[in-house]
Amino acid sequence: NAGVTQTPKFQVLKTGQSMTLQCAQDMNHEYMSWYRQDPGMGLRLIHYSVGAGITDQGEVPNGYNVSRSTTEDFPLRLLSAAPSQTSVYFCASSYSITRGGPGDEQFFGPGTRLTVL
Amino acid sequence: AQKVTQAQTEISVVEKEDVTLDCVYETRDTTYYLFWYKQPPSGELVFLIRRNSFDEQNEISGRYSWNFQKSTSSFNFTITASQVVDSAVYFCALSVTTIQGAQKLVFGQGTRLTINP
Repeated sequence: NAGVTQTPKFQVLKTGQSMTLQCAQDMNHEYMSWYRQDPGMGLRLIHYSVGAGITDQGEVPNGYNVSRSTTEDFPLRLLSAAPSQTSVYFCASSYSITRGGPGDEQFFGPGTRLTVL
Repeated sequence: AQKVTQAQTEISVVEKEDVTLDCVYETRDTTYYLFWYKQPPSGELVFLIRRNSFDEQNEISGRYSWNFQKSTSSFNFTITASQVVDSAVYFCALSVTTIQGAQKLVFGQGTRLTINP
């Protein structure tokens, strides 16, 4: 198993550009989520999905879109990048809320470091 | 409000000293889970422990131990005989259930631990 993979590892954008951060998992996990990590603020939830076709907003969703067409993939789209979106982005997955429950361990990808100039 | 506070932003100790990382949480849920994650300099997030709110037994794993006290809403983490390899940022997190029934993690701000040789 590759676990949770993220691409790219590093990205530099100019203000106003769009891009998609890719996330994939091969563990047949139903639950996937995106977090951003900023200095002194821990990780904050952006969007999450409880299964293919079902997504919802987290704590800081503005400026980001997600979709979940397959169980394996959960891409995060920045429609018009802003300097405030400079951060490290982590994708995570876990079995499901019904099978694993709220205490299920989340497996994190290696992260994408994004800089918006 | 669901919140996790790690009041210690940075801790620096000399190798072989014991060190305790504090975590205080707030939740209105009667059932919840608490986690500790380690983020070494390489950047990935490593799961350390999960604790159910109904289980107040302390846990020990090698040099690591955790003290969970519901009465004070704390879940502290102690490293005994610290080693340089323990240097990392440590995050405490609270698992909360959304209105839709999904799980999301609320992270503390993190504590940067430096072990000096």
